[in-house]
Amino acid sequence: AQSVAQPEDQVNVAEGNPLTVKCTYSVSGNPYLFWYVQYPNRGLQFLLKYITGDNLVKGSYGFEAEFNKSQTSFHLKKPSALVSDSALYFCAVRASKAPLYNQGGKLIFGQGTELSVKP
Amino acid sequence: GAGVSQSPSNKVTEKGKDVELRCDPISGHTALYWYRQSLGQGLEFLIYFQGNSAPDKSGLPSDRFSAERTGGSVSTLTIQRTQQEDSAVYLCASSHYKNTEAFFGQGTRLTVV
Repeated sequence: AQSVAQPEDQVNVAEGNPLTVKCTYSVSGNPYLFWYVQYPNRGLQFLLKYITGDNLVKGSYGFEAEFNKSQTSFHLKKPSALVSDSALYFCAVRASKAPLYNQGGKLIFGQGTELSVKP
Repeated sequence: GAGVSQSPSNKVTEKGKDVELRCDPISGHTALYWYRQSLGQGLEFLIYFQGNSAPDKSGLPSDRFSAERTGGSVSTLTIQRTQQEDSAVYLCASSHYKNTEAFFGQGTRLTVV
């Protein structure tokens, strides 16, 4: 079955320090992986994605993520956190191939990780 | 419009009533998704439409929930005989190809009283 795990409900980081938000996934075949951010009372915004190629992908607002196939992980990272990065972060996975759907399967999200960056 | 549009933005209904939530995806997007998000919680997958294929309904929580997508565009999520536990934000998203990101609407906040 397809699933995403975000093992930390909350991550606390001091401003200026590096941050990591963890994500592991389970899917048949090759995955398409995504990170989204949700600010309070706002919709979900796309941050970055891994489709193929270089395992390190860069996205919006200085965020990056590393795809590790052997560990089935796709952790989100940023070298220097900002207070404005405080938000709810979601990891998502989609199978590149799925029965009946030649355009790939459904997009499944993790439970989210609340990131709090303190001054 | 340029983005995914959902209506209404807020809906208050009495327990036992039926409600319909509407989603207008981005023009040309073949995939459409519905999710439910309870307060401070993650995104619960409900249903997935892809082109002309039969929808993936595996996330619908009960037979009170159903969804349609007419003409490969607009989608309606219907909840019959609403219960208080149905109160949540219902989010719709659409995407173009399988390897592209999904774009989300602002959601419909449903409150069942």
